[in-house]
Amino acid sequence: DIQMTQSPSTLSASVGDRVTITCRASQSISSWLAWYQQKPGEAPKLLIYKASSLESGVPSRFSGSGSGTEFTLTISSLQPDDFATYYCQQYNSWWTFGQGTKVEIK
Amino acid sequence: EVQLLESGGGWVQPGGSLRLSCAASGFTFSSYAMNWVRQAPGKGLEWVSAFTGSGGNTYYADSVKGRFTISRDNSKNTLYLQMNSLRAEDTAVYYCAKALSLAAQDAFDIWGQGTMVTVSS
Repeated sequence: DIQMTQSPSTLSASVGDRVTITCRASQSISSWLAWYQQKPGEAPKLLIYKASSLESGVPSRFSGSGSGTEFTLTISSLQPDDFATYYCQQYNSWWTFGQGTKVEIK
Repeated sequence: EVQLLESGGGWVQPGGSLRLSCAASGFTFSSYAMNWVRQAPGKGLEWVSAFTGSGGNTYYADSVKGRFTISRDNSKNTLYLQMNSLRAEDTAVYYCAKALSLAAQDAFDIWGQGTMVTVSS
């Protein structure tokens, strides 16, 4: 089974900050990686797929990069609506989510 | 509007059964793989089961294999999850999620609002 490890688990930041979340896979997953945003009481929302492709309607301040085993999600300028929990997901071999990264207000 | 609407959740005793349904609208249901993902209270996301490909390949997480069965009725645009031998650790919000394609290798672009399953005596 492929394990996904996100860091950090919690991130404190201010509006306007550049934020980076890392996701590492236990083995190579090529570019088969997605990022989701989830707010309390809501379903997850797809942000990025295939490591760096921006889902339609997602603001361009979100970007993804990486391949193989190491990936990053970057928010270029954090907005009030971005305080949420973010999950990575591999879909190279079945499907596995990371444990999540909560982005909270500093 | 593309939409997924889950139903069938509720309270059940350990060892009991439930069947979840996910009604799809706004897209050609038969052309996409479909999944179930769950989230225990205060915890992260856990993929549960998938139904992919034109041939109807099914996949299950080890935690539910042999107890849960995924199925779909393309004529009714509905995905199902039959859950038997339920355990306390199956307590979670269950989400139905549409994949970006019919393939097994794809992300999930549309999610339902979720249905809560509580397993407790």
